Amino acid sequence: KAGVTQTPRYLIKTRGQQVTLSCSPISGHRSVSWYQQTPGQGLQFLFEYFSETQRNKGNFPGRFSGRQFSNSRSEMNVSTLELGDSALYLCASSTGRGPEASRTDTQYFGPGTRLTVL
Amino acid sequence: KQEVTQIPAALSVPEGENLVLNCSFTDSAIYNLQWFRQDPGKGLTSLLLIQSSQREQTSGRLNASLDKSSGRSTLYIAASQPGDSATYLCAVRSGYNFNKFYFGSGTKLNVKP
Repeated sequence: KAGVTQTPRYLIKTRGQQVTLSCSPISGHRSVSWYQQTPGQGLQFLFEYFSETQRNKGNFPGRFSGRQFSNSRSEMNVSTLELGDSALYLCASSTGRGPEASRTDTQYFGPGTRLTVL
Repeated sequence: KQEVTQIPAALSVPEGENLVLNCSFTDSAIYNLQWFRQDPGKGLTSLLLIQSSQREQTSGRLNASLDKSSGRSTLYIAASQPGDSATYLCAVRSGYNFNKFYFGSGTKLNVKP
């Protein structure tokens, strides 16, 4: 079974630009979560999509947005980039089943997209 | 709000030593706890998942325990090897309805040959 894939793997942008990152989950997984990882803040939850709907959101400004398509692939968009947005962006997929199934539902992570904002 | 803490932040040990990594969380109402490994610049690899009703899980040289009532988990690594050098993160899955994962800041492990 293919793992979680993320594209592109590396990006260099300048302040003020916008960027779109893509994540393809494991086949059969309907939940995709996005995380931002920086040396100072560690791994921070951005949002989760399940069946094309955002069902969970972290504490990030509105410049960070996402969407999920009917095939469960997800994209994350960051508008008006700031220097502080430089980070490793990770996506993770899981089956996303209901609360009772959450006990055994694990997340599988992609390799990440390294974004550098100059 | 769930908060996850990992101590120590960094650890350096000689090869062959047994070691313990610690993880604590503030809200005991969890679905599960998961230990991950992250190599520099890479994604996270799942090592062990402990359901809330379980006390421990084992995989090879790794053993993870969970004490939900005290909000603690430990990851025991036996006979450490240089290839174990990585950052180890724990995450708890908690919340209501649409639950999510809360991550600790990780323990950076260096196993010296």
